[in-house]
Amino acid sequence: GENVEQHPSTLSVQEGDSAVIKCTYSDSASNYFPWYKQELGKRPQLIIDIRSNVGEKKDQRIAVTLNKTAKHFSLHITETQPEDSAVYFCAASIGGSYIPTFGRGTSLIVHP
Amino acid sequence: GAGVSQSPSNKVTEKGKDVELRCDPISGHTALYWYRQSLGQGLEFLIYFQGNSAPDKSGLPSDRFSAERTGGSVSTLTIQRTQQEDSAVYLCASSTSGTGTNEQFFGPGTRLTVL
Repeated sequence: GENVEQHPSTLSVQEGDSAVIKCTYSDSASNYFPWYKQELGKRPQLIIDIRSNVGEKKDQRIAVTLNKTAKHFSLHITETQPEDSAVYFCAASIGGSYIPTFGRGTSLIVHP
Repeated sequence: GAGVSQSPSNKVTEKGKDVELRCDPISGHTALYWYRQSLGQGLEFLIYFQGNSAPDKSGLPSDRFSAERTGGSVSTLTIQRTQQEDSAVYLCASSTSGTGTNEQFFGPGTRLTVL
């Protein structure tokens, strides 16, 4: 089955810096890669996703890049703010297999 | 509209007791997932329901765990003879379809503590 590795497990940055979280996947058939943000004590929520037919997607201060050849994808957050502090999960799924595989999460701490 | 809801929000039980956790998905969502999140860990898949099809139970950790979904809507996760290692947050999520390539909407979770 699919295996998703996520790094780093913890990331500490100063407000205004950029943050990058990386994930690798094992199954080349995976074609959907969502990112979820989970603030402390709250439910995970989708913040951005990318499908395998594109290499990059942006939404304001966040962007996701996908390298299908290397089987890795990354979340980029620019101009970080304290409210970006949360646990971020990446996931990979194969269309039709219906069960996404999640990474173990990255705890992002943005210091004001 | 209303999101995914779960009840109870917190459950404390004694080892060996049975517990039932409830999930109300978003109306019209055909796919429903249960996950377990242990402290500092990722999302561990437990079981998946899609419409009236037989559920995918491949993630259930033991036969003490079971789940049902009545009328294609509300789902109940039952843990029998609870053990301390069952302590975790149990999250339910629903999606518009079961292709695995649609956004999952998560509930607030049930925090289970087994003493």
